[in-house]
Amino acid sequence: DADVTQTPRNRITKTGKRIMLECSQTKGHDRMYWYRQDPGLGLRLIYYSFDVKDINKGEISDGYSVSRQAQAKFSLSLESAIPNQTALYFCATSAHGYEQYFGPGTRLTVT
Amino acid sequence: DQQVKQNSPSLSVQEGRISILNCDYTNSMFDYFLWYKKYPAEGPTFLISISSIKDKNEDGRFTVFLNKSAKHLSLHIVPSQPGDSAVYFCAAPAPRGAQKLVFGQGTRLTINP
Repeated sequence: DADVTQTPRNRITKTGKRIMLECSQTKGHDRMYWYRQDPGLGLRLIYYSFDVKDINKGEISDGYSVSRQAQAKFSLSLESAIPNQTALYFCATSAHGYEQYFGPGTRLTVT
Repeated sequence: DQQVKQNSPSLSVQEGRISILNCDYTNSMFDYFLWYKKYPAEGPTFLISISSIKDKNEDGRFTVFLNKSAKHLSLHIVPSQPGDSAVYFCAAPAPRGAQKLVFGQGTRLTINP
């Protein structure tokens, strides 16, 4: 079984809809992250959390919110989806070092 | 402001030859660098890293070189194999950034038989 899982893997939604992307991990890591990948821009950090009570904005948090329901679960919400949020979204975890472990990604399309 | 830059969006190399992927950075406070490899429909996976106290780190067919004066690092793959075809990202922890990684744009490597 994968250590970091993301659901759904693919999602098509309409402008204005609320959508939640979920991430679960079995690695026992405290740190969790949400990134988005766009062509030509690499991965950009949306939000990160170092434990259940710690939530921090990344470089592109506008239009997104997160919830850390437990050590193993970190959800990303788009309150009112817009077309420029169409992207590939990755969840990642880390222990105390720099190396991060990524989930398989969610491909989100906003029409 | 792109602090970590990969200026080559793509690279094509013949099987068995050396692949060299380049990465430049602007922040002299970066003191650790990582390379990730990404296949389609999968998340990035860690490949190799280097600390700024070193100028070279080798792991099998993969070697990363760091030139601090030029703010440049490169990943060498030799010999290149078809399974090396993927997108490669370089990354660095943001200084005082509590393990936040700053990624380059990625380079798509294609190994031709």
